[in-house]
Amino acid sequence: DTEVTQTPKHLVMGMTNKKSLKCEQHMGHRAMYWYKQKAKKPPELMFVYSYEKLSINESVPSRFSPECPNSSLLNLHLHALQPEDSALYLCASSPPGTGIDSNQPQHFGDGTRLSIL
Amino acid sequence: EDQVTQSPEALRLQEGESSSLNCSYTVSGLRGLFWYRQDPGKGPEFLFTLYSAGEEKEKERLKATLTKKESFLHITAPKPEDSATYLCAVQARGGSEKLVFGKGTKLTVNP
Repeated sequence: DTEVTQTPKHLVMGMTNKKSLKCEQHMGHRAMYWYKQKAKKPPELMFVYSYEKLSINESVPSRFSPECPNSSLLNLHLHALQPEDSALYLCASSPPGTGIDSNQPQHFGDGTRLSIL
Repeated sequence: EDQVTQSPEALRLQEGESSSLNCSYTVSGLRGLFWYRQDPGKGPEFLFTLYSAGEEKEKERLKATLTKKESFLHITAPKPEDSATYLCAVQARGGSEKLVFGKGTKLTVNP
């Protein structure tokens, strides 16, 4: 079991639905991430939150909306998704570093398998 | 642009047959190189961080090494439970949290 918990594990939704993915960690990590992973591909970064502030948005379409309510929680709100958005959505977190050149590893959850009908 | 290339794409070994996976990288100042293991339907599991050329890290049957241009993941006497996709990722200096991943090597160890 990982220390980054993602719910739900599986989600099937229609293109007009609104749903949310949830990620939780209690390791005191202050950076949290959303990644998208298609089959047989590496994870692709979507968003980074650092100290609960959005620090990186990798030009993700607005139908994906991240939210970081507190230092332990990260949400990804989904609306009007397309079939090509079907993928494994991974959350990760990393400890606070000791400066901009910190190299703390990211720890991943097991993801939410999302299918868009 | 930072890039990571992993080879081979797939590797089949017999149990006990040692081998190495390669990760070549180009990055504008290396902050860290990370190895992960990913099982089907699971998230990547952190294995090692390497920071500077010449560094080595070991864990059970795995040993990771780093030069200025590449990293190797050596697998000694592998077992079927070592079967997984192994991902290499780099992080560049300059303050960005972004990891650049390679496409991975899918390792299958047959009993």
